[in-house]
Amino acid sequence: NAGVMQNPRHLVRRRGQEARLRCSPMKGHSHVYWYRQLPEEGLKFMVYLQKENIIDESGMPKERFSAEFPKEGPSILRIQQVVRGDSAAYFCASSPSGRGYTGELFFGEGSRLTVL
Amino acid sequence: SQQGEEDPQALSIQEGENATMNCSYKTSINNLQWYRQNSGRGLVHLILIRSNEREKHSGRLRVTLDTSKKSSSLLITASRAADTASYFCATDATGGSEKLVFGKGTKLTVNP
Repeated sequence: NAGVMQNPRHLVRRRGQEARLRCSPMKGHSHVYWYRQLPEEGLKFMVYLQKENIIDESGMPKERFSAEFPKEGPSILRIQQVVRGDSAAYFCASSPSGRGYTGELFFGEGSRLTVL
Repeated sequence: SQQGEEDPQALSIQEGENATMNCSYKTSINNLQWYRQNSGRGLVHLILIRSNEREKHSGRLRVTLDTSKKSSSLLITASRAADTASYFCATDATGGSEKLVFGKGTKLTVNP
């Protein structure tokens, strides 16, 4: 029973390029959360999605960042025209239930983005 | 912001000693969770305590919750070198969205 799978684990981009981070939730989970972690910091919420629907994107920067969770396939966090400040670890988590779930989140190992 | 704040930021102890980490938060919550993160890895859930609970145990972990003070503590007894990690508390707001809000964490080092 595979856990939350994220890829790539490490990604290097030059300023101005695009970064695409993928997340496959645990089997049976239909809700995905993306968090960003700067070095020596806690996790900052970015976006919460269920299949084909964004529930809460209050933590997403207004420009260059977007997320989707299509009916088929993984959730994708897309960062356009990356800047050095985007360098961070991006974590995906999934949960099994619908709206109102307040239990444990299951995290992937993260994708570490380095912008040169 | 209802973000939790852990205290201390860093803690270094000897194997066999107990480690206590504290977390404070700002708004009413449904529950509070503690997670562990080994260096370079993802977060692993340790324990969840509901707002109507005051204390909970799991193995060598003991968590307390004081909703009147909006604070929680995580106690790890008889620590081991393998307990070296960062520990985060996470809260969800009552009546809010389902997202968890994390503190900045306590970095625990257990020296053999």
